[in-house]
Amino acid sequence: GDSVTQMEGPVTLSEEAFLTINCTYTATGYPSLFWYVQYPGEGLQLLLKATKADDKGSNKGFEATYRKETTSFHLEKGSVQVSDSAVYFCALSRDSNYQLIWGAGTKLIIKP
Amino acid sequence: KAGVTQTPRYLIKTRGQQVTLSCSPISGHRSVSWYQQTPGQGLQFLFEYFSETQRNKGNFPGRFSGRQFSNSRSEMNVSTLELGDSALYLCASSLGSTNNEQFFGPGTRLTVL
Repeated sequence: GDSVTQMEGPVTLSEEAFLTINCTYTATGYPSLFWYVQYPGEGLQLLLKATKADDKGSNKGFEATYRKETTSFHLEKGSVQVSDSAVYFCALSRDSNYQLIWGAGTKLIIKP
Repeated sequence: KAGVTQTPRYLIKTRGQQVTLSCSPISGHRSVSWYQQTPGQGLQFLFEYFSETQRNKGNFPGRFSGRQFSNSRSEMNVSTLELGDSALYLCASSLGSTNNEQFFGPGTRLTVL
């Protein structure tokens, strides 16, 4: 069945460091891919998405590129801030499936 | 525009009881999905409704059920509660296509004693 695998956390970085959170997926066809973020005490919110191969999603300085050949959707940011501390979830959905399939989540801790 | 609202925010029940959770989607959204979030299993899909019809269901026992009303509001019910049902239950609404963004509510924290 479909699945999403994320790197385990927590990931601890210093402010202004470069961030990569790895995400790979297994799915038939051409799923849509998403990154959601859950800030402490808040609900899940969409960070970015990509709906076809080679698409790049971007938002708030974060980017991720849909790589069909490596079945990956890694999240990157060039310079992280303390306010980026949160749990990040990679997810996919397939046509006619109407559900999000989630990775386990990666907790990101940014130290000043 | 008001976001997704879920009631109640917190619930404490005992084993064997049943519970009903409510979700009001964003105005104009016809799809409502439910997810269970636990530390051990992460986020798992329960079911999705669109225009009062269940379009997909996850791998949960029949004790978990849901419905959607004509105004798109949705409820989920869990009967014969078990300790393992303790979780954060999240509702999300969207326009209804698979690549549409899902907007999440704050969740209902259910504790089963």
